Amino acid sequence: EVQLLESGGGLVQPGGSLRLSCAASGFTFSSYAMSWVRQAPGKGLEWVSGFSDSGGGSTIYANSVKGRFTISRDNSKNTVYLQMNSLRAADTAAYYCARHRNYYYYYAMDVWGQGTTVTVSS
Amino acid sequence: QSALTQPASVSESPGQSITISCTGTSSDVGIYNYVSWYQQHPDKAPKLLIYDVSNRPSGVSNRFSGSKSGNTASLTISGLQAEDEADYYCSSYSSNSAVLFGGGTKLTVL
Repeated sequence: EVQLLESGGGLVQPGGSLRLSCAASGFTFSSYAMSWVRQAPGKGLEWVSGFSDSGGGSTIYANSVKGRFTISRDNSKNTVYLQMNSLRAADTAAYYCARHRNYYYYYAMDVWGQGTTVTVSS
Repeated sequence: QSALTQPASVSESPGQSITISCTGTSSDVGIYNYVSWYQQHPDKAPKLLIYDVSNRPSGVSNRFSGSKSGNTASLTISGLQAEDEADYYCSSYSSNSAVLFGGGTKLTVL
């Protein structure tokens, strides 16, 4: 069964850091682009960051997190990570890991995890 | 990276059809056929309904269909059922290499 399982969410103070993990199973992880998408309480979906497996790998970020968040992946562990630094209250959200249908992030996201919740508050 | 524009809410009776619009620009919806639609029920993860403007993944009902004209994409749901009541999001690739989502549309089946 194709599956994504996020972990690492929690309560963190403003300015703090957190690392999210997303463990994949049931498919050839290295062949697919992966993204993180977040959803603030009661709000819509916001794409956060993507890691394409094309051409040795490339990363991209939403302007709202550029310079603060870093996406990475370990194909040997079938895991994608999101390192979040300098966290703000506006980063409070459920964070979903998602698989793109192919090697680049212009393809739709066809597999989603159940999400992990990040709360930034003092 | 501006969001795509969707109506905040729509409603229709069971058995009827409804169309949800998604308006972008000539930098995203207008030039790429990488438009997708997602359904999200409360407290659930999003589910892919339509990819590449009009293609349905295996297992998605043929009551869901997608199209595009110029800078506007559309999702049509025919034969509305109570289980279709959910939030719907469009998404598109953008020329600045970003992935954009619409603000979401809440569908109420009356």
